[in-house]
Amino acid sequence: DQQVKQNSPSLSVQEGRISILNCDYTNSMFDYFLWYKKYPAEGPTFLISISSIKDKNEDGRFTVFLNKSAKHLSLHIVPSQPGDSAVYFCAASDGGYQKVTFGTGTKLQVIP
Amino acid sequence: DSGVTQTPKHLITATGQRVTLRCSPRSGDLSVYWYQQSLDQGLQFLIQYYNGEERAKGNILERFSAQQFPDLHSELNLSSLELGDSALYFCASSGQGGGNTDTQYFGPGTRLTVL
Repeated sequence: DQQVKQNSPSLSVQEGRISILNCDYTNSMFDYFLWYKKYPAEGPTFLISISSIKDKNEDGRFTVFLNKSAKHLSLHIVPSQPGDSAVYFCAASDGGYQKVTFGTGTKLQVIP
Repeated sequence: DSGVTQTPKHLITATGQRVTLRCSPRSGDLSVYWYQQSLDQGLQFLIQYYNGEERAKGNILERFSAQQFPDLHSELNLSSLELGDSALYFCASSGQGGGNTDTQYFGPGTRLTVL
């Protein structure tokens, strides 16, 4: 049972445009959401997070939006850069001791 | 460089065998997590240790076990290996080990191939 779903395995975007990565979840107990970025041959790197008490969190070019009623979150990257090309994992936690559930990832390719 | 180290980088072994994966957390981090990433799968949480004690358990098979030592490094033991155990195994660490808002820092992973 995949509680965190990233339905788009891949996404291609032109450099300078907006990249929008989507994530859906099914567990209403999730109260903290994260995005990780992963380059080949490296471990995932934390990118940005959002608590369920917020609906938006921004960090430079990266913004995460949370729609609790739809159980949906998205990551916006503006403007997209070639160095953003990586696999992006959405993750969610239901509190307590950081048992984090990850999605299957979306491979973003930013075309120069 | 996240500061989390994992050894070995690659491991090739046969079915039925037993292997040990090792993880050294970032300096000062008390929590260690283990994840499995199979082909086309997300990262599956296996287990978390905090300061030597098991804190949370995920989808960890009975053939797998882990421990965290007094120096805070951790080992993941995989036994009676099956072809389906072939995967990337990641270790992560975080500082507090309490609430769910601490950033986890991931190591580069160990790629296990079972033939």
